[in-house]
Amino acid sequence: EDQVTQSPEALRLQEGESSSLNCSYTVSGLRGLFWYRQDPGKGPEFLFTLYSAGEEKEKERLKATLTKKESFLHITAPKPEDSATYLCAVQAGANSKLTFGKGITLSVRP
Amino acid sequence: ETGVTQTPRHLVMGMTNKKSLKCEQHLGHNAMYWYKQSAKKPLELMFVYSLEERVENNSVPSRFSPECPNSSHLFLHLHTLQPEDSALYLCASSQMRLAAYEQYFGPGTRLTVT
Repeated sequence: EDQVTQSPEALRLQEGESSSLNCSYTVSGLRGLFWYRQDPGKGPEFLFTLYSAGEEKEKERLKATLTKKESFLHITAPKPEDSATYLCAVQAGANSKLTFGKGITLSVRP
Repeated sequence: ETGVTQTPRHLVMGMTNKKSLKCEQHLGHNAMYWYKQSAKKPLELMFVYSLEERVENNSVPSRFSPECPNSSHLFLHLHTLQPEDSALYLCASSQMRLAAYEQYFGPGTRLTVT
């Protein structure tokens, strides 16, 4: 069974304090790993898809990386508006299903 | 309208009521999904429709009944729900293909069962 574990559960940063969010996964035949951002009371917003180990993608202050066992979402010089829950999901094998982790709640203080 | 829309955004219903959730996607996708999101738990996939055919049903109780009349619309019919069914219900759509494909989510319906 596909498994996704995200850590830490919650992270509090000072504005400008860079950090990383971790997503560990156990799947058979990874097709893609996805990062989403979710604001309170809203649906998840798609950020990145990573297809293979070694791949990296960037968007503004966010950079996602992928290895054979885990993915990191690096946040450089975060701002209060980066506060949200960040979700990681995997798609594997012939399945159309996305398996999600529980998410990491990020809070950035001004 | 753009993206994926859901109505209503909030719903309060008694255990004996019948109600329906509506989802519409404006992205030209060929697959649609219903998810349940409860506090402190990962998103739970409920149903998958591909080209209007239900391709997955993840052991969801029969008090939840999906309907997909065309590739742009998806409904979730609710009846005799339980308080533990209170959650955020999310609709998503995607373009199914051989390579990995992301799903795009609507804003959700916050359901409270009293």
